[in-house]
Amino acid sequence: ETGVTQSPTHLIKTRGQQVTLRCSSQSGHNTVSWYQQALGQGPQFIFQYYREEENGRGNFPPRFSGLQFPNYSSELNVNALELDDSALYLCALKGTSHNEQFFGPGTRLTVL
Amino acid sequence: GQQVMQIPQYQHVQEGEDFTTYCNSSTTLSNIQWYKQRPGGHPVFLIQLVKSGEVKKQKRLTFQFGEAKKNSSLHITATQTTDVGTYFCAADRGSTLGRLYFGRGTQLTVWP
Repeated sequence: ETGVTQSPTHLIKTRGQQVTLRCSSQSGHNTVSWYQQALGQGPQFIFQYYREEENGRGNFPPRFSGLQFPNYSSELNVNALELDDSALYLCALKGTSHNEQFFGPGTRLTVL
Repeated sequence: GQQVMQIPQYQHVQEGEDFTTYCNSSTTLSNIQWYKQRPGGHPVFLIQLVKSGEVKKQKRLTFQFGEAKKNSSLHITATQTTDVGTYFCAADRGSTLGRLYFGRGTQLTVWP
């Protein structure tokens, strides 16, 4: 296991607010991806960061943005929250042998 | 996009019965990955299949990749209550991006 951690574990926000979610790992991984998992669905790719640069983006609007820091920790920022943003947000580190993803425990975001 | 369809969406079995979930794509896949997500947990990587017609086994789990590399299956022999969870297939774009397209998953319930 990579020891991926995410914070916070749960979060409740209201429509229009902004949120920042965080991801870190015990070992330094230079590639981190973020996924959104709505209830009853599979994870959907939001974007990926490689060496602090965005390296691919899914079908998500610009109000979803991210950062990766020199210590390879990462943030997902969502502005102008909408009700449909309620989901489990997962960060994932890429495996070294394949392209498998090692997921963190996730942040459960509820937008009221 | 490279969508993968997964059936069935739900499966309820008695402990000891077998279980199979199927994953299909309209396009040829470079590889397919399988993940398991326990209730309240995060997806955990199980295996990756790369070669046409490949079959891999992990104890009671058997994974197959179709000859045309457009479908895959996961079969569990003699289910146990510990097998409960949602099983996802995920397609890789085939690049080093590590971006995965997940199926909707099959939620397995095992009655003791």
